[in-house]
Amino acid sequence: DAGVTQSPTHLIKTRGQQVTLRCSPISGHKSVSWYQQVLGQGPQFIFQYYEKEERGRGNFPDRFSARQFPNYSSELNVNALLLGDSALYLCASSPPPGDSPYEQYFGPGTRLTVT
Amino acid sequence: KQEVTQIPAALSVPEGENLVLNCSFTDSAIYNLQWFRQDPGKGLTSLLLIQSSQREQTSGRLNASLDKSSGRSTLYIAASQPGDSATYLCAVDTDKLIFGTGTRLQVFP
Repeated sequence: DAGVTQSPTHLIKTRGQQVTLRCSPISGHKSVSWYQQVLGQGPQFIFQYYEKEERGRGNFPDRFSARQFPNYSSELNVNALLLGDSALYLCASSPPPGDSPYEQYFGPGTRLTVT
Repeated sequence: KQEVTQIPAALSVPEGENLVLNCSFTDSAIYNLQWFRQDPGKGLTSLLLIQSSQREQTSGRLNASLDKSSGRSTLYIAASQPGDSATYLCAVDTDKLIFGTGTRLQVFP
């Protein structure tokens, strides 16, 4: 079975631009979470979606938004990019509650560089 | 506010040594704790998940323990190999994963 997939792998944007990152969860998983990992730090929680509804939001500005589609894939959008948004963006999916311990499975990430 | 700390920040050891990586957290109200491995520039690979009701989990040369009351977890790596070189992250689950900053491990031949 395919794991969590993310696209694109790498992205270079200019300050002020907008970016959209994509994530496809493991088949059968209905929950998707997004994390930002700045170099040298642990990942920071941005959003969680379950059954297309937002279930949690981390301490990020409104420039960050996300959505989940009927096929459970997800997009993360970041507007008005700042240099500090340069990071590895990770997507994780998890099985429905009750199927197994709430283990999260991570994709390979999208490396965003803002210049 | 939940905070997760990992000690040491970096570790360099010769091949064959047994290792202990430490993780501490400030709030014992967690659902579970996960240990991950991250290779440079890559995503996270889940190594072990310990549910809040469990004390330890084992997978091959890896053993993770959890003491919720004291807010501590340890990851034990037996007979380390150069291929174990990576950053090891622990994360507590409180409806979202809260990560430590990781232990960067280098195992040299």
